Amino acid sequence: DAGVTQSPTHLIKTRGQQVTLRCSPKSGHDTVSWYQQALGQGPQFIFQYYEEEERQRGNFPDRFSGHQFPNYSSELNVNALLLGDSALYLCASSWGQEYQETQYFGPGTRLLVL
Amino acid sequence: DAKTTQPNSMESNEEEPVHLPCNHSTISGTDYIHWYRQLPSQGPEYVIHGLTSNVNNRMASLAIAEDRKSSTLILHRATLRDAAVYYCILRDLTGGGNKLTFGTGTQLKVEL
Repeated sequence: DAGVTQSPTHLIKTRGQQVTLRCSPKSGHDTVSWYQQALGQGPQFIFQYYEEEERQRGNFPDRFSGHQFPNYSSELNVNALLLGDSALYLCASSWGQEYQETQYFGPGTRLLVL
Repeated sequence: DAKTTQPNSMESNEEEPVHLPCNHSTISGTDYIHWYRQLPSQGPEYVIHGLTSNVNNRMASLAIAEDRKSSTLILHRATLRDAAVYYCILRDLTGGGNKLTFGTGTQLKVEL
């Protein structure tokens, strides 16, 4: 049983560019959450998708947007990249019907903005 | 979000028990206490969770104070593979979602 997978593993962009990160949830999961983790900090919640809609959003600007597909996979898009967007981006999946359901994290995509 | 307080770092010797404390004095009656850990170069992984009663699983035990204002994650026999950042999290159920609000966690170092 494959766990949560993310692509790419590493990415280098320059300021002002746009980036798309991808996530495939664990088999049987229908909910995907995205987190940003700066160096030395805990992950910070960006948003969560359930049934192809954004269900909950953290304190991130509109430059951060997402999408969930009918197969439950998800994309995170970041426009107009800033140096401060350099971080590890983590995807987590769970089963949306249970609020206490454990979240399973992928290995992350490390984004470097130059 | 209800907030948690953890020590920045702790050290343990291999095969010794480890007690990782967490304070959450503003916890509400419906907040569950979750623990996740993050090994180097990996995403966080679930360890254990509980509401009021102490909990045990194959990875660890969770001891919850009677007033629920603090809890302790117990690793019964630490191994080198347990070296990680441990996060104590109160589950936020508002808005129909189930986001995790991470703090900075406790860096656990395990020595031979």
